[in-house]
Amino acid sequence: GEDVEQSLFLSVREGDSSVINCTYTDSSSTYLYWYKQEPGAGLQLLTYIFSNMDMKQDQRLTVLLNKKDKHLSLRIADTQTGDSAIYFCAWGGKLIFGQGTELSVKP
Amino acid sequence: DTEVTQTPKHLVMGMTNKKSLKCEQHMGHRAMYWYKQKAKKPPELMFVYSYEKLSINESVPSRFSPECPNSSLLNLHLHALQPEDSALYLCASSQAGQGKGEQYFGPGTRLTVT
Repeated sequence: GEDVEQSLFLSVREGDSSVINCTYTDSSSTYLYWYKQEPGAGLQLLTYIFSNMDMKQDQRLTVLLNKKDKHLSLRIADTQTGDSAIYFCAWGGKLIFGQGTELSVKP
Repeated sequence: DTEVTQTPKHLVMGMTNKKSLKCEQHMGHRAMYWYKQKAKKPPELMFVYSYEKLSINESVPSRFSPECPNSSLLNLHLHALQPEDSALYLCASSQAGQGKGEQYFGPGTRLTVT
């Protein structure tokens, strides 16, 4: 199967780190993506990682990939109120999306 | 430039109306996609065009009719829709044919069917 699972909701305080997790069951694709969707907007590509990498860092974002456990995570350092959004992991050329994690950042 | 544009931003239509959604990209991408998204749910793939040819139709009802007039434009023609078709319709594009490279999304058209 090609299911992708995410926890639905995460609440953090401004300045804390946020960690959003994603578990998938199909490991045949080359890329794994993280998208951000703010209320009323389209999806913004945040970052992606190749399946032969374990980690990718891009400014405040760190992506970790554990291929053995089929687990992907997105860490946002120094989380800001502007980071409040729904975050989707996605997998494969046909983009199978996780259910999305709604991140709420409180001042 | 990684911009995908969509018009209109909002559309309200009756069940007997005919309307069209438009999508445009000038990134030279050769694959374009239509997705349907309900509130707080992940996008669901509807159609994929690769090199201006329809390559995937995810069993979408015929009241939705896609069209790709050229490599930069993608339309979605709507006719005799149902209230349950109300959703955010997202267009996306990717660089080198379907399934190759990351997809870039437009802001969407929020459709309400009355």
